Amino acid sequence: DQQVKQNSPSLSVQEGRISILNCDYTNSMFDYFLWYKKYPAEGPTFLISISSIKDKNEDGRFTVFLNKSAKHLSLHIVPSQPGDSAVYFCAASIIQGAQKLVFGQGTRLTINP
Amino acid sequence: DGGITQSPKYLFRKEGQNVTLSCEQNLNHDAMYWYRQDPGQGLRLIYYSQIVNDFQKGDIAEGYSVSREKKESFPLTVTSAQKNPTAFYLCASSVTDLISNQPQHFGDGTRLSIL
Repeated sequence: DQQVKQNSPSLSVQEGRISILNCDYTNSMFDYFLWYKKYPAEGPTFLISISSIKDKNEDGRFTVFLNKSAKHLSLHIVPSQPGDSAVYFCAASIIQGAQKLVFGQGTRLTINP
Repeated sequence: DGGITQSPKYLFRKEGQNVTLSCEQNLNHDAMYWYRQDPGQGLRLIYYSQIVNDFQKGDIAEGYSVSREKKESFPLTVTSAQKNPTAFYLCASSVTDLISNQPQHFGDGTRLSIL
């Protein structure tokens, strides 16, 4: 039962344009959503998060949008840079005795010069 | 620099052998976690620990064991009972696991392969 899904395994975007990564979830009890970025042979790095009571959070070139009614969130990166090429994981957080993060499968973003 | 150190980076196991993956953090975090990543899949939780001398099973604990004798250390043993141990293993920590908005910080992982 995949509670968090990233349906696009890969995405290719031209440098300078906008990258949009999508994530869908099924459990309405998730109360925080996080995005992580991962380079090969390294651990994921926290990028940005959003509370379930918000619909937008912005940090520099990164903006996360949350649509609770659709159970959908997206990460926008603008402008996209070559260093943004990585795998991006969306994760949903819930407290069940302790915090549990449920991860999507990841989307590989490639920024082309 | 504060962070999470996992060792070794690459590990090979023979059939029927137990191996232990090391995870050390100097962030003074209370909570620590072990995840497994397989190709094309997200991270899946193996075990987590909220405080010293306490740990709980995650979603895929079978064939694994852990200990938490010190706050900064959370080693994972992959036992011979784990039938498909080849994967990338990630250790993480967070200040506390009782607040939902705490990001978990990850080490650089250990890639385990079967000979």
